[in-house]
Amino acid sequence: QQQVKQSPQSLIVQKGGIPIINCAYENTAFDYFPWYQQFPGKGPALLIAIRPDVSEKKEGRFTISFNKSAKQFSLHIMDSQPGDSATYFCAASNYGQNFVFGPGTRLSVLP
Amino acid sequence: GAGVSQTPSNKVTEKGKYVELRCDPISGHTALYWYRQSLGQGPEFLIYFQGTGAADDSGLPNDRFFAVRPEGSVSTLKIQRTERGDSAVYLCASSPLPGTDTQYFGPGTRLTVL
Repeated sequence: QQQVKQSPQSLIVQKGGIPIINCAYENTAFDYFPWYQQFPGKGPALLIAIRPDVSEKKEGRFTISFNKSAKQFSLHIMDSQPGDSATYFCAASNYGQNFVFGPGTRLSVLP
Repeated sequence: GAGVSQTPSNKVTEKGKYVELRCDPISGHTALYWYRQSLGQGPEFLIYFQGTGAADDSGLPNDRFFAVRPEGSVSTLKIQRTERGDSAVYLCASSPLPGTDTQYFGPGTRLTVL
């Protein structure tokens, strides 16, 4: 019940495309859903996060869509750039304590 | 100011040895987390400190793993009798306030057990 599932495992898009990464969870006690971006050799960096009281949040080119009844959330990257090539992780937490991460999606944006 | 720092950046040890990994959180951050990340996987939660005390250590895999944060700032993750399966990147993160969800990660320590 603590697991967060993430798909796809890898994704290749052309520059300007809109990659979409999907996550699903089981534990209804989770109340915070962040997305992290990780470059090789670096720690994850917070991109954007959402709470279950809203269905969508947008920050710059990044948008989270959240479906509370389906227990699913997704990340959309608008006008993707080669510099967005990285591994993306979704996560979920309960009151900022035990964070559970998805297995990651390796995104490649071709020039 | 400075971000989360971790030392050493790389540690190579032999099976059965003892290792210590250090984390310096962002100044003033009260919450501190340790994670383990295996190749191609997401970070796996190990332990969470609120101040000096471990608020949740449910992720520690066994009693060979132990972590301390004696003064509520720097934390040390200690691994006894290392095994080859302990090889991974160990990540530390900190958050500014209790109940605040934003975590700031350090670059990690890559541990290799030969």
